[in-house]
Amino acid sequence: EAQVTQNPRYLITVTGKKLTVTCSQNMNHEYMSWYRQDPGLGLRQIYYSMNVEVTDKGDVPEGYKVSRKEKRNFPLILESPSPNQTSLYFCASSLQGSAYNEQFFGPGTRLTVL
Amino acid sequence: AQKVTQAQTEISVVEKEDVTLDCVYETRDTTYYLFWYKQPPSGELVFLIRRNSFDEQNEISGRYSWNFQKSTSSFNFTITASQVVDSAVYFCALSPNYGGATNKLIFGTGTLLAVQP
Repeated sequence: EAQVTQNPRYLITVTGKKLTVTCSQNMNHEYMSWYRQDPGLGLRQIYYSMNVEVTDKGDVPEGYKVSRKEKRNFPLILESPSPNQTSLYFCASSLQGSAYNEQFFGPGTRLTVL
Repeated sequence: AQKVTQAQTEISVVEKEDVTLDCVYETRDTTYYLFWYKQPPSGELVFLIRRNSFDEQNEISGRYSWNFQKSTSSFNFTITASQVVDSAVYFCALSPNYGGATNKLIFGTGTLLAVQP
């Protein structure tokens, strides 16, 4: 089944404790991106990747890192999480980076930083 | 500026009523795509429709219909004979052409639809 998976689905952590949210797709998509969803703000793009080893900042990249060593994986790294990073996170992928391509979303990861 | 505005924060209707969710967008691009997503209480994002900027035909899919009007930069979504299962947050989104790069989705803030039995 074609899908985007994220792990973990739920995470409660404490300020400053490094964490990684994994994202994997099995559709051989070139483009992947991360969004965060906050009440009253909708979804905002954090980082995106056009292909392996090619990443760039989205609208709200502060406090996050990403890497794209393999085509299928695009982990989101929070080196020192803070309470303002409490949010619902979505990973998405599409065949290529052009606006023509439909994005497929993962199930979401709900992160709470205490 | 690239922006999507969903002015209706919350809407409450009684089952079987028709309801329209408004979406107004701004973009400098001549080629772009518009989307609607549904987010049920379980939290996942469910794709509903994609429309490109060259296709202004209205679309109907069962109880759902979409009205795209380029002249007013609007892409409104109507649910006919609403049902309790339609209760969700609905997001309108814009994918600007950006010269073909980034495939970034710009989301509105969402409209929470509550359908009462």
